[in-house]
Amino acid sequence: AQTVTQSQPEMSVQEAETVTLSCTYDTSESNYYLFWYKQPPSRQMILVIRQEAYKQQNATENRFSVNFQKAAKSFSLKISDSQLGDTAMYFCAFMKGLNTDKLIFGTGTRLQVFP
Amino acid sequence: GAGVSQSPRYKVTKRGQDVALRCDPISGHVSLYWYRQALGQGPEFLTYFNYEAQQDKSGLPNDRFSAERPEGSISTLTIQRTEQRDSAMYRCASSLGLGAPSTDTQYFGPGTRLTVL
Repeated sequence: AQTVTQSQPEMSVQEAETVTLSCTYDTSESNYYLFWYKQPPSRQMILVIRQEAYKQQNATENRFSVNFQKAAKSFSLKISDSQLGDTAMYFCAFMKGLNTDKLIFGTGTRLQVFP
Repeated sequence: GAGVSQSPRYKVTKRGQDVALRCDPISGHVSLYWYRQALGQGPEFLTYFNYEAQQDKSGLPNDRFSAERPEGSISTLTIQRTEQRDSAMYRCASSLGLGAPSTDTQYFGPGTRLTVL
């Protein structure tokens, strides 16, 4: 069975600074996807970034980038130039295989951005 | 186009009552998922459909929970004889489901907050 672990329940960062959220996972699968979702106070679930395991290049989306270490089963999220609107709960998620399947989520990291 | 919609957004019910939660996926999305999220936790998988076929219901906690998607579009999650422990946010997600990274990404609805008194 796959598991996703987020070991940082809470993080804080000052506006304009950089912060990194950690995520590790356990799987015996060779093909899978990894995701970061953001859940702001409105409790919407918003996709931040996606990484395909077969790609060596780390995914980037504007201020958001990942450090994907497949051998270490690590998938951290870096937020650059943090903004107040980045304040949210961040969930790391795993999906096995190359076909549609369920997401397995971590317990989340609550990020607070201070002015 | 429009995102995933869910109704009702809030539901308060008394223990023992049945509830039906509705999900309307993004138009054209083949795959539809149901998750349950307790406060302070990540979503947990309940069940999912490709078109009208229920592919995996391993996450349904017991036989009081059921789901259907009869025409391959709108889905209903039904909880019979509700109990207080059923109180949670119930989320629906959909994806194109065509077996490619860009199309297997799941997009979530706003959720239905269920409170069982």
